[in-house]
Amino acid sequence: AQSVTQLDSHVSVSEGTPVLLRCNYSSSYSPSLFWYVQHPNKGLQLLLKYTSAATLVKGINGFEAEFKKSETSFHLTKPSAHMSDAAEYFCVVSDTGRRALTFGSGTRLQVQP
Amino acid sequence: EPEVTQTPSHQVTQMGQEVILRCVPISNHLYFYWYRQILGQKVEFLVSFYNNEISEKSEIFDDQFSVERPDGSNFTLKIRSTKLEDSAMYFCASILGRLAKEETQYFGPGTRLLVL
Repeated sequence: AQSVTQLDSHVSVSEGTPVLLRCNYSSSYSPSLFWYVQHPNKGLQLLLKYTSAATLVKGINGFEAEFKKSETSFHLTKPSAHMSDAAEYFCVVSDTGRRALTFGSGTRLQVQP
Repeated sequence: EPEVTQTPSHQVTQMGQEVILRCVPISNHLYFYWYRQILGQKVEFLVSFYNNEISEKSEIFDDQFSVERPDGSNFTLKIRSTKLEDSAMYFCASILGRLAKEETQYFGPGTRLLVL
């Protein structure tokens, strides 16, 4: 069985400061890991994914995440937050891309001016 | 850029009524999925579909639910007799399906279903 724990339900940062959204996973297999973002009243958009290549993964809009197998973590970071980054972020795990995705409970990112 | 589309964007129905949610996956994709998100809760997997049959389903996907690919483009989720607890956002997703591990599921914008 696989699971995802997002350690913070809400994160608030000031515009221009770094963002850190934390995610730990559990998987019996060598997992694929994803971060999706959901803006208000919008669908789910892929930010980035890890599928056993480079452990540091770069995504869209300046986001990146590092896969750390020893810590079973896949934290999402961005050096400088922008107002448009305010959204809900989901950490997601799958044992292959075809299989069901297991979502974390989400982290709501608030960006203060 | 190709995208997954879903209709309707919102649907309100009475308890006990049947609803059909529609999705048009990306045109050359082979695997299709339905997920739901009850307000304030996690996104949950319902079912996956490949080669005109269900390939995986969750405990949520009971006899009240069915999926179909009635033609070459649409993928539908039917709820036979809706319950209050079926109120949720329903997301459709699809993948190309040729490279198992490297692929990404692309999501539609969702259908918000409200059962009264």
